[in-house]
Amino acid sequence: DGGITQSPKYLFRKEGQNVTLSCEQNLNHDAMYWYRQDPGQGLRLIYYSHIVNDFQKGDIAEGYSVSREKKESFPLTVTSAQKNPTAFYLCASSQTLAGGTDTQYFGPGTRLTVL
Amino acid sequence: GDSVTQMEGPVTLSEEAFLTINCTYTATGYPSLFWYVQYPGEGLQLLLKATKADDKGSNKGFEATYRKETTSFHLEKGSVQVSDSAVYFCALKVGGAQKLVFGQGTRLTINP
Repeated sequence: DGGITQSPKYLFRKEGQNVTLSCEQNLNHDAMYWYRQDPGQGLRLIYYSHIVNDFQKGDIAEGYSVSREKKESFPLTVTSAQKNPTAFYLCASSQTLAGGTDTQYFGPGTRLTVL
Repeated sequence: GDSVTQMEGPVTLSEEAFLTINCTYTATGYPSLFWYVQYPGEGLQLLLKATKADDKGSNKGFEATYRKETTSFHLEKGSVQVSDSAVYFCALKVGGAQKLVFGQGTRLTINP
């Protein structure tokens, strides 16, 4: 089955620790994205990547880092510099960044809780 | 900047009722419009989309029409079911832009 997988589903972290969230897609999509969702709010873009070894900051990149070493993988690291990391994190992918009609498909999400 | 405004929730209806969730947008360009649905504890699923004015997106009994004159993309369903209970997000994407712009989401609960 083609799709996007995220792991783990739930993640707990102590304050001051870095943690990495996994995102893998087998859709052969060029572009990948990370969003953050807080209760009662829409999604906000953290980082995106349109090609291997290249990525761009979104609206709320501070305290986060990413890598794109393989087309199918786009891990997100939540660093200790992120002031309020408790949230639901969603990964998405799309076929291409060209034009406005390419649809983004989402993974099931990872819920991160800082203890 | 680009933005999406959705009807305030939560919305509670009885089964078989008619549903409308309002969505209006502001965009500097000519956007594509989307409705996504999120079931409890899950990621977002694309429900429907429209890419140009007067297009109607439809899926699973839901419909939305791209109205350029009123900058709206209201979601409708003629007869809702308990299984439609979820959070619905309206979103836009302007050609060449790198992100979806989301509304705040509308939580829908359908009672049997």
